[in-house]
Parts: sequence; C-alpha cells; structure tokens
Amino acid sequence: DQQVKQNSPSLSVQEGRISILNCDYTNSMFDYFLWYKKYPAEGPTFLISISSIKDKNEDGRFTVFLNKSAKHLSLHIVPSQPGDSAVYFCAASAGDQAGTALIFGKGTTLSVSS
Amino acid sequence: NAGVTQTPKFQVLKTGQSMTLQCAQDMNHNSMYWYRQDPGMGLRLIYYSASEGTTDKGEVPNGYNVSRLNKREFSLRLESAAPSQTSVYFCASSEDSTYAKNIQYFGAGTRLSVL
Repeated sequence: DQQVKQNSPSLSVQEGRISILNCDYTNSMFDYFLWYKKYPAEGPTFLISISSIKDKNEDGRFTVFLNKSAKHLSLHIVPSQPGDSAVYFCAASAGDQAGTALIFGKGTTLSVSS
Repeated sequence: NAGVTQTPKFQVLKTGQSMTLQCAQDMNHNSMYWYRQDPGMGLRLIYYSASEGTTDKGEVPNGYNVSRLNKREFSLRLESAAPSQTSVYFCASSEDSTYAKNIQYFGAGTRLSVL
C-alpha cells in the first residue's frame, strides 16, 4: 500500500502562472516532508522541506504547505518558468534516528510552456 | 565539490552475471542509501547504512548485498543478476544533523539493463 501518493502523473502550466503539485500521505508517523526535483538522466535534487510542526515553508519561488489533519501537502511554484519542467517527487520520513529512509511518491511531471 | 559519485553510469549484464555498483560521497555524511527507480514508480529503498560499519535492509533488498567500506563509500552488489533488476539505481547520503534532518543528496544514477 502506497504511503505517499501523488495522484496527478502530469501537470501543464504556462510560464508566469502558478504551478501547484499535490501529495497525500497515509502514515501519521511521518514528521518530515521533502520535495525533490529530477531532470532526465540526473539524480533527484533537494528542493524544499517542511517539518510537521509547521504548516508553511517558503524559499524564493517555492512554497510548501502542510495540512496535517488532511494528511496533505502541496508545492506551489510562483511564477513558473520553463526551467522548472521536471519530475517532482514528494517524500516523507518518520523519526529522528540516523539513516531514516525516505518514502517517495511516484512523481508528477511538470511541463511549463513559454 | 563532487557530492555523491556513482560508477558506472551505464551497464548491461547477462542474466546470472554479477557486478558491483560503486558509490562515494565527499560531504562527510554519516548515512548512505541505495534506491532503485523503475518506470512510473517512485524511488524504493534497497539498503541503507546509518553509520560506518552498519547496514540495514530497506523495502526491496532481495537479490542485493551491500558493503559500507568506510565512511565515504557504500557499494551495492548483484550476485546473480536477473531481468527484474533492470532499473536505474541511485545512491544517496545524508548528514543526519538536527538542522539538516533527513535531507538526502543523490548521485546521478547507474542505468542497469539485465538481458
């Protein structure tokens, strides 16, 4: 059973508009959430994260929102740029132990057209 | 600063052959991980090493072995490759500090085909 779900395989947005990528999780023990961005033939790169004690974290054009009661988080990209076109993975972890594994969603492919 | 380096980048094996995927990080991180990514799937954890000298199984460990050679290096071995192991393999590392909790940094991947 998937613990981290990204239900939209793809999203298309025009340059300058907002991109909203969604992620749902089922495990209430998750306390840290991350978004990774992946270009073809490259490894995932860390984008932004949020702890469960917060409901929002912002870094430049990227903002992550966390709704714990709904077990839902979203990544907002404003304004979207063609260089943002990539696969975005939502990931979650539980606990403070060293070597805690990340549980990944299947990813959402974002296409930003100019 | 190279970060996480994986070798080789590409490999084709025949069923039953063995090989070792190499991973090294230069960030002085304590924890290292091996994931595989299949088409339409997220990354799934194969094995991880929380610290030098320790290794633990992840979600999909069958058919693999690992060695944490030292703090920098973490290798993944396929003893008898099977077509089901055709995948892209990613190595990652993390600092595990309170500040950088669970942020993992990934290598560029090894694309493996087993015929």
